[in-house]
Amino acid sequence: ETGVTQTPRHLVMGMTNKKSLKCEQHLGHNAMYWYKQSAKKPLELMFVYSLEERVENNSVPSRFSPECPNSSHLFLHLHTLQPEDSALYLCASSQVLQGVREKLFFGSGTQLSVL
Amino acid sequence: AQTVTQSQPEMSVQEAETVTLSCTYDTSESDYYLFWYKQPPSRQMILVIRQEAYKQQNATENRFSVNFQKAAKSFSLKISDSQLGDAAMYFCALAPSGSARQLTFGSGTQLTVLP
Repeated sequence: ETGVTQTPRHLVMGMTNKKSLKCEQHLGHNAMYWYKQSAKKPLELMFVYSLEERVENNSVPSRFSPECPNSSHLFLHLHTLQPEDSALYLCASSQVLQGVREKLFFGSGTQLSVL
Repeated sequence: AQTVTQSQPEMSVQEAETVTLSCTYDTSESDYYLFWYKQPPSRQMILVIRQEAYKQQNATENRFSVNFQKAAKSFSLKISDSQLGDAAMYFCALAPSGSARQLTFGSGTQLTVLP
């Protein structure tokens, strides 16, 4: 247990559904991240929320919408997804001090299947 | 842009033996961090070892050590006395120092430990 909890662990959804992934960190960190892990491809950073900024990977489609209501919670809202969006979605957190990021702590991910 | 390349999709090692996983990278940054992460079947990414680029001494963590060759942009991971619990996907990653977000991962090496 690393202190980063993701729910649900598995999610199957149709292309017309709307669902949300949830991430919660209990480590007192000030930055949270969403990564996408597809088979045989490097992890892809999707979004970062830190004290100073929200950063987006410009290649992430608008059907993925992040929300960070506070420093402990991070959501990824999904709507009208495509089958190629099926992947493992990993949440991570870290402490950022004066721009230097300490190590990432990851959750166990949500395995998403889009039918 | 920065890139991380892991040229070995799969590796295997006999229990109690030593194995080395390869990683090469490219970056225009002068100061950066290199990481090895482990992802067991539980899917949770766990930091194995971290190396600051400005340090010439290779990092070690118990049975895990790295061979950091800055000029060659090479960062290999050596696992000594391999154990069954070491079986996992191993990811090499790179982040510029001072950046809260630019962590780039390689595509991973699946390590099998044979009893």
